[in-house]
Amino acid sequence: GDSVTQMEGPVTLSEEAFLTINCTYTATGYPSLFWYVQYPGEGLQLLLKATKADDKGSNKGFEATYRKETTSFHLEKGSVQVSDSAVYFCALSEPGANSKLTFGKGITLSVRP
Amino acid sequence: EAGVTQSPTHLIKTRGQQVTLRCSPISGHTSVYWYQQALGLGLQFLLWYDEGEERNRGNFPPRFSGRQFPNYSSELNVNALELEDSALYLCASSRTEGRAGYTFGSGTRLTVV
Repeated sequence: GDSVTQMEGPVTLSEEAFLTINCTYTATGYPSLFWYVQYPGEGLQLLLKATKADDKGSNKGFEATYRKETTSFHLEKGSVQVSDSAVYFCALSEPGANSKLTFGKGITLSVRP
Repeated sequence: EAGVTQSPTHLIKTRGQQVTLRCSPISGHTSVYWYQQALGLGLQFLLWYDEGEERNRGNFPPRFSGRQFPNYSSELNVNALELEDSALYLCASSRTEGRAGYTFGSGTRLTVV
């Protein structure tokens, strides 16, 4: 079945550091890929998405590229801020009768001033 | 546009009781998904409703059930509550099959004592 694997956390960075959060996936078809963010005490917000190979999703300085050859969708940001502290989830969705989001375990990012 | 709304935001129930959680999707979204986010277990898919029908179900016992109404709002019912049902229950909505993305509500925090 479908699965999403995220790197182990938590991650602690200083403000303005470069961020990479790894995500790889296993899917039977051609999934859409997503990054969601969950701030403390809140629900999930869609951060960015990509629906086909080589697509790059971007939002709020975050980027991720859909790499079919390596089945990856790594999240990057050039300069993190304290306000980026949150839990980040990588997820995939396959179309059709099996439509649902399959999530990775999530990773907690803490950014210190 | 109004987002996905969930009610109540918090509730406390006693073991063995029954609970009903409610979700109103974004206007124009016909699919509603329910997820359980329990401490240490990540986001687990519960149910998917589309056009009033249950389309997919996660690996949960039958005491977890729900329905979708003609206006596309949805209820999640949990019978015979157990302590391990304590979790954040998240509802998401999308256009059918969700390939373009899913919008989440802020969740209902259920505590079973």
